[in-house]
Amino acid sequence: GAGVSQTPSNKVTEKGKYVELRCDPISGHTALYWYRQSLGQGPEFLIYFQGTGAADDSGLPNDRFFAVRPEGSVSTLKIQRTERGDSAVYLCASSLGTTLTDTQYFGPGTRLTVL
Amino acid sequence: KQEVTQIPAALSVPEGENLVLNCSFTDSAIYNLQWFRQDPGKGLTSLLLIQSSQREQTSGRLNASLDKSSGRSTLYIAASQPGDSATYLCAVNNQAGTALIFGKGTTLSVSS
Repeated sequence: GAGVSQTPSNKVTEKGKYVELRCDPISGHTALYWYRQSLGQGPEFLIYFQGTGAADDSGLPNDRFFAVRPEGSVSTLKIQRTERGDSAVYLCASSLGTTLTDTQYFGPGTRLTVL
Repeated sequence: KQEVTQIPAALSVPEGENLVLNCSFTDSAIYNLQWFRQDPGKGLTSLLLIQSSQREQTSGRLNASLDKSSGRSTLYIAASQPGDSATYLCAVNNQAGTALIFGKGTTLSVSS
């Protein structure tokens, strides 16, 4: 596609529920990143994929968060037993992945609200 | 641990003014530095990327400088326009060269 797309654009859920957030990267981009942005803050890194494998998951806050990229393209961020503190905009980015310093292109984000 | 700070947090200027946004980082061992623009409810748009070996980059009315040894970068916007109103974020590649570490941003408002 023309850019990084994310679905849904908005997700409202209740505390304790399970949610999945989807990211479609730019075609041909092997690197994919998830970030979380709380109100008034800059994005915070969650996890980085190179191809199908998670190359760096050091930003995941706890074991309720998990992400997959089974075919090296689309990625899903999964959050179990959601808490109100999980409310934020979840941003996905992709890059060519050929060097460590390729430009990252961001999607519009998914706004998650946990009631 | 790398920390990125942006000053000021918010800035309001009349149309036509030249302005400077500041970014500082605590660990000079970076691979590159990027400036992004974020419009309300939207994702991030990359404006300029400066490699660690470079001193500055220019794109149109935007000029970004990098002083790696002092841990500082500035984004200069010439002849500001109302359409420049947005939040500007500074980000650096951490030591592993993968994840971006962001500042909190500077929210710019340009009045006509």
